[in-house]
Amino acid sequence: QSVLTQPPSASGTPGQRVTISCSGSSSNIGRNYVYWYEQFPGTAPKLLINTNNQRPSGVPDRFSGSKSGTSASLAISGLRSEDEADYFCAAWDDSLSAWVFGGGTKLTVL
Amino acid sequence: QVQLQESGPGLVKPSQTLSLTCTVSSGSFNSGGYYWNWIRQHPGKGLEWIGCIYYSGTTSYNPSLKSRVSISEDTSKNQFSLNLSSVTASDTAVYYCTRGHDNGDYVDGFDIWGQGTMVTVSS
Repeated sequence: QSVLTQPPSASGTPGQRVTISCSGSSSNIGRNYVYWYEQFPGTAPKLLINTNNQRPSGVPDRFSGSKSGTSASLAISGLRSEDEADYFCAAWDDSLSAWVFGGGTKLTVL
Repeated sequence: QVQLQESGPGLVKPSQTLSLTCTVSSGSFNSGGYYWNWIRQHPGKGLEWIGCIYYSGTTSYNPSLKSRVSISEDTSKNQFSLNLSSVTASDTAVYYCTRGHDNGDYVDGFDIWGQGTMVTVSS
């Protein structure tokens, strides 16, 4: 069981907006930044969202992140078939003194 | 562009020590502002942070693995290494080395990843 909780799956049709949630606690999301990673099968994860809501260079503005209290969300607007991937959230946990991840959400574009 | 490359045995016997090395392609390994991590992913599963080494040489480990993990560096070779002792089948995973920014008062997420290396624990 992962420390951060994500839905195992999400789906949408091309052009739609989808959101993926990430729930944590006061020791991780509640007091630290949240990061989001995108992973395609057989490849390494890629940093998608930095420090709650910042996009690294090259990440389309269709991707956005937000945080409120002990939860965070990743939103993808204008959904495309190439967005079909696994998405993971992560945060530093002060109680564990460790990085913790969500279990991942598999996004399907219908 | 900085690149990371994992290397090491793909098969390790139970109870032995898993040893991997990550080679950093540029001089950023010897400059401040970064920390270097090992992360693993069990087949079909999520990600697990193993530990890291900071520019100062200080290490930090996941409490769940701390008794078996050691991370070290060889700055002359732009490399850092992972040793995981007393392995069992549950240590079978893809192992990634990654880089993160150390901003002083907090550390950032992992902006650069190696391609990953699959390690199987089996006799």
